[in-house]
Amino acid sequence: GAVVSQHPSWVICKSGTSVKIECRSLDFQATTMFWYRQFPKQSLMLMATSNEGSKATYEQGVEKDKFLINHASLTLSTLTVTSAHPEDSSFYICSARDLAGNEQFFGPGTRLTVL
Amino acid sequence: GQNIDQPTEMTATEGAIVQINCTYQTSGFNGLFWYQQHAGEAPTFLSYNVLDGLEEKGRFSSFLSRSKGYSYLLLKELQMKDSASYLCAALDSNYQLIWGAGTKLIIKP
Repeated sequence: GAVVSQHPSWVICKSGTSVKIECRSLDFQATTMFWYRQFPKQSLMLMATSNEGSKATYEQGVEKDKFLINHASLTLSTLTVTSAHPEDSSFYICSARDLAGNEQFFGPGTRLTVL
Repeated sequence: GQNIDQPTEMTATEGAIVQINCTYQTSGFNGLFWYQQHAGEAPTFLSYNVLDGLEEKGRFSSFLSRSKGYSYLLLKELQMKDSASYLCAALDSNYQLIWGAGTKLIIKP
């Protein structure tokens, strides 16, 4: 089956630092990757849609200068949280859609804690 | 606007059957997904319906009525490990997933 990995799984950082999260599709090519954020006891919130080789499309209310997304290849997308603050602490999940189907395959998520 | 409605929380007994309903309103429609999410973990795929009718997969079944904008997930022979949130998501005309807030299912012995 289609596998998506995320790295790191957990990260704790100081306020003001930047954190990079990687999302990789391991056994398929993903033209589109999605980045979600989920706060405790809330549903997934789509942050941005990332298409390989082009700029990401951000959802309303998501600061593109704060959440930098790069989708440089068909198997890798990165999300960089710049100048992280405690309110950015959340569960960040990526998903990838392959060339053929409609299904999104989810990574295991990255739990970010900003002190 | 686009909207997905599902109950916030449901409780059921181990060994019983539970049906989780979902209604959707989207700009165009390309299918309905159900995902299971355990606390602290990413969602995992359960089912995808694009045609009307019932799809059965082991203890889990999913139903879709496109004319009614309605789907349900049916869980049989409930086990304690089925305690989780169940997310309903509809694929709109742009092939974007529109997510419901999830239904937290509590299984009691």
